[in-house]
Amino acid sequence: AQTVTQSQPEMSVQEAETVTLSCTYDTSESDYYLFWYKQPPSRQMILVIRQEAYKQQNATENRFSVNFQKAAKSFSLKISDSQLGDAAMYFCAYRRPNTGNQFYFGTGTSLTVIP
Amino acid sequence: EAQVTQNPRYLITVTGKKLTVTCSQNMNHEYMSWYRQDPGLGLRQIYYSMNVEVTDKGDVPEGYKVSRKEKRNFPLILESPSPNQTSLYFCASSLYGVMNTGELFFGEGSRLTVL
Repeated sequence: AQTVTQSQPEMSVQEAETVTLSCTYDTSESDYYLFWYKQPPSRQMILVIRQEAYKQQNATENRFSVNFQKAAKSFSLKISDSQLGDAAMYFCAYRRPNTGNQFYFGTGTSLTVIP
Repeated sequence: EAQVTQNPRYLITVTGKKLTVTCSQNMNHEYMSWYRQDPGLGLRQIYYSMNVEVTDKGDVPEGYKVSRKEKRNFPLILESPSPNQTSLYFCASSLYGVMNTGELFFGEGSRLTVL
């Protein structure tokens, strides 16, 4: 079974600093998708960034980037120049391709941004 | 506007009183799914559907039913709600197959309290 582990229930960062949220996953598949979703206090789930496993290049979206280590099954999210609006719960997610099409989520990391 | 719409957004009910949470998407997505979110547990999949008339259990299906009679709708039915089903529920949809971008699109969530 696929599992996704986020070992940091809570993190904090000073405004304008950089923070890294960790995520590991377990799979026997060679092709899959990985995601980071943000859930602000509004509860809406917002896609932050996506990584296809067959791509060696790490995905980036403005201030958000990932460190994808396929062999280590690690998928960390780096937030640069942290802003107050980045404060949220962040979920790492794995998607198994094609068969069943199921998604698996980690337990989340609550990020606090300190002014 | 492309969206997933859930109703109701908030509901307080009593044990044993049947209820339905509706979900509708306007993106012509084949894949739809229901999740529940509980503190410390992340998002857990209840049921999913890969197309009309095709549904399957997720990780926590007990006490829930679903149906997929139309492509756009995927209601979640609690036949006899119990207090342990008090949770935040999310409906989500996605393309399915080789043309999809992988990501899930989420509704805004439904906060259910069972007394």
